[in-house]
Amino acid sequence: EAQVTQNPRYLITVTGKKLTVTCSQNMNHEYMSWYRQDPGLGLRQIYYSMNVEVTDKGDVPEGYKVSRKEKRNFPLILESPSPNQTSLYFCASSALAGGKRSSYNEQFFGPGTRLTVL
Amino acid sequence: LAKTTQPISMDSYEGQEVNITCSHNNIATNDYITWYQQFPSQGPRFIIQGYKTKVTNEVASLFIPADRKSSTLSLPRVSLSDTAVYYCLVGPYTGRRALTFGSGTRLQVQP
Repeated sequence: EAQVTQNPRYLITVTGKKLTVTCSQNMNHEYMSWYRQDPGLGLRQIYYSMNVEVTDKGDVPEGYKVSRKEKRNFPLILESPSPNQTSLYFCASSALAGGKRSSYNEQFFGPGTRLTVL
Repeated sequence: LAKTTQPISMDSYEGQEVNITCSHNNIATNDYITWYQQFPSQGPRFIIQGYKTKVTNEVASLFIPADRKSSTLSLPRVSLSDTAVYYCLVGPYTGRRALTFGSGTRLQVQP
């Protein structure tokens, strides 16, 4: 089954304790992205990656890191989490234009990771 | 970046047609317009995408006027299960650029 998986689904942590949220897709998509969703603010893009070893900042990259060492994985790293990073996080992937299945903008989203930083 | 503006919420009844409009005055030449649907505690799901005029699929229609400064998502004969948040996204078909979602429109369908 084609899917985007995220782990963990729920995480409660404390300020300053480094954490990683994993994201993996099995659709051989080039494009992957992380979003955070907060009440009243909709979805905001944190980082995105056009392909292996290619990453770029989205609208709200401060306090986050990403890496793309393999095509299927795109982990989100919080080196020193703070309470204002408490949010619902979504990973998404997409084929790039010209791909057989979908265009650049048709993103497939994971189930979400609810993070609470105390 | 093309900013999008949508109504915060809309109400409808089962069986009615619902039209949700998105404003994107600064849309770029190579931008496409994409709509997503999101249920509570789930990731957004792709509904439809278009560049100009009209696009229709089994779920919805998308109307885009000639100036492309707005677009309208049309949901025919909505049911209770269409209660969700609908997002309009404007972004490039190719190229490296961040994608920006709007705040979404919360559609409530009542019996």
